[in-house]
Amino acid sequence: AQSVAQPEDQVNVAEGNPLTVKCTYSVSGNPYLFWYVQYPNRGLQFLLKYITGDNLVKGSYGFEAEFNKSQTSFHLKKPSALVSDSALYFCAVREVTALIFGKGTTLSVSS
Amino acid sequence: NAGVTQTPKFRVLKTGQSMTLLCAQDMNHEYMYWYRQDPGMGLRLIHYSVGEGTTAKGEVPDGYNVSRLKKQNFLLGLESAAPSQTSVYFCASSGDIPTDTQYFGPGTRLTVL
Repeated sequence: AQSVAQPEDQVNVAEGNPLTVKCTYSVSGNPYLFWYVQYPNRGLQFLLKYITGDNLVKGSYGFEAEFNKSQTSFHLKKPSALVSDSALYFCAVREVTALIFGKGTTLSVSS
Repeated sequence: NAGVTQTPKFRVLKTGQSMTLLCAQDMNHEYMYWYRQDPGMGLRLIHYSVGEGTTAKGEVPDGYNVSRLKKQNFLLGLESAAPSQTSVYFCASSGDIPTDTQYFGPGTRLTVL
């Protein structure tokens, strides 16, 4: 069965600094990987996905993710964090029809 | 284009009561899903549908039933609510798998007393 792991419950970063939210995956076959963001009391918003091709995927709000097959990782990155990036971030992998989600990482950006 | 909508937004039930959550999408998607979100557990799949008239069980289906009578609607029912079903429920839809993005509704916060 497919699975993803988000090893950090919380990530703290100062505004203006680069941020990384980690995700590792376990799949049989080709990995289809997704990142979503959830702001308080809101639904999940799609950020980006890796299907095939370039290992560096660019997404919404200046986020990008690097797919690394040898390390089975799909880390979310942003060069310069904003206070407004503070939210809950989910990594997910496609299993047949549905998505399997990690437990989420809370990102806190301080001013 | 509203995307995915859910009704109601909030609901409080007493143990043993029943209710139906409605999800609607206007993107002509074949696939629809119901997830529940609990603190520290991410999102877990309850049931899903691969097209009108079809339903299938997900990871945590017990205590829930679903129906997909129309392509644009996906209903989640609780026949006899239990406190363990206190959660936030999200509906989602997607087009062609496995590459299409899944789009989520705003959620329904359900409390069972």
